[in-house]
Parts: sequence; C-alpha cells; structure tokens
Amino acid sequence: GEQVEQLPSILRVQEGSSASINCTYENSASNYFPWYKQEPGENPKLIIDIRSNMERKQTQGLIVLLDKKAKRFSLHITDTQPGDSAMYFCAAINMGYKLTFGTGTSLLVDP
Amino acid sequence: NSKVIQTPRYLVKGQGQKAKMRCIPEKGHPVVFWYQQNKNNEFKFLINFQNQEVLQQIDMTEKRFSAECPSNSPCSLEIQSSEAGDSALYLCASSGNQDTQYFGPGTRLLVL
Repeated sequence: GEQVEQLPSILRVQEGSSASINCTYENSASNYFPWYKQEPGENPKLIIDIRSNMERKQTQGLIVLLDKKAKRFSLHITDTQPGDSAMYFCAAINMGYKLTFGTGTSLLVDP
Repeated sequence: NSKVIQTPRYLVKGQGQKAKMRCIPEKGHPVVFWYQQNKNNEFKFLINFQNQEVLQQIDMTEKRFSAECPSNSPCSLEIQSSEAGDSALYLCASSGNQDTQYFGPGTRLLVL
C-alpha cells in the first residue's frame, strides 16, 4: 500500500507571495504524483502532476518538485492570488492505480 | 476540465434505505474509480473498474456497498442499507491511462 503525509494543514499567505506545500510518501514504487485543488462544495480538480521520471515540472504559476531519494514531493504556487484560496491535496499512485491522498492543506490568500 | 457525469448531485436517505448513484466516465476512458470523501476531507478508495471488470476494491466486509460498470450503461455505486456514517461526498473519476484521474462533480449523500 501507500501512505501520504501532507503539511502544512493550514497555510495563510499575502497576495503576491509564494506558497509551498510538502508531501512525503512511503512506497518507493510510487510513480505518479498529482495535485488537486478543491474549492468549497466542488469536486477536486487536477492542477498539475509529475511522474517519477521527472524531478521538476512547471505550468501556469505552479511548480512541482519530486525528490525520489527522500520520497518527498512539493507544490509551489508563485504569485498567489485570492482565487488560489482552496483546499489542496497531494496524492500518489504506485502499481495499483488507486490514488492515496494526503490530508489536505487549506490555503488562504489574503488580498 | 473533467467531463465525468455524476447523478444525482444530492441524495438524502433515511437510515436503512438504499442509496444509488451513477457515473458516466469521460468518453474513451476505460478505467473508472469510486472514492468517498468524508466531512473531514479524508479520501477513501472504494473500487475501480477497467471496462466492466473490477481491478481493485476495498474489503467491503460490511457487504453494504456494491458497484458495477455494465457495458453501454452508466457505472453505479449502491449502498444497500444506508447508515449515518455513510454521509459523504462520493466521487467518481475516470482515466484514459490508469494514472491521470479526473473527478466528476460528486454525489453528496446525506443519511438522516
């Protein structure tokens, strides 16, 4: 199986600053790491993902880093905006296809 | 983003009643997943299918949960005898490549 730890559980930042969320996993066979954003009352939406053959991926103000040796991956949101306020979940998949989710980070961006 | 369709969006049942929800995966996606997200935002994987076949499922020892993905019909998840603890958001996701999963809007179940 897999277990994913996610920190921090709550993150409050000023508009325009960056926000970082960190996750660790246990199973070295895990090979796919997506990040989901979930707004209140909505479903989780895939915002970025990274596979184990990469160390870094960047898209539209989002950066994900993967350190396979440390079994750690992270999401960095640059130039945060109030619209980035939401719950963020990391997840991991090993050979079994099912997602194992982290416990979530509540991000609040103050204008 | 996601083209997964889930119905109904909201479901209210009394304890002991059946609760059934449906999912139409994104066109061309052969793999379908069901997850439960509770009020503490914790996700629990329930079952997944590739076409009509079960790939993985949790140990549904309670036997109250059943699911299927028949050919040419929506996938479904059914709780035979709802309990208060089943109140949650039930999320269906589909995948075209077995890892990238897109979630539908969910069915929010409230068991009174």
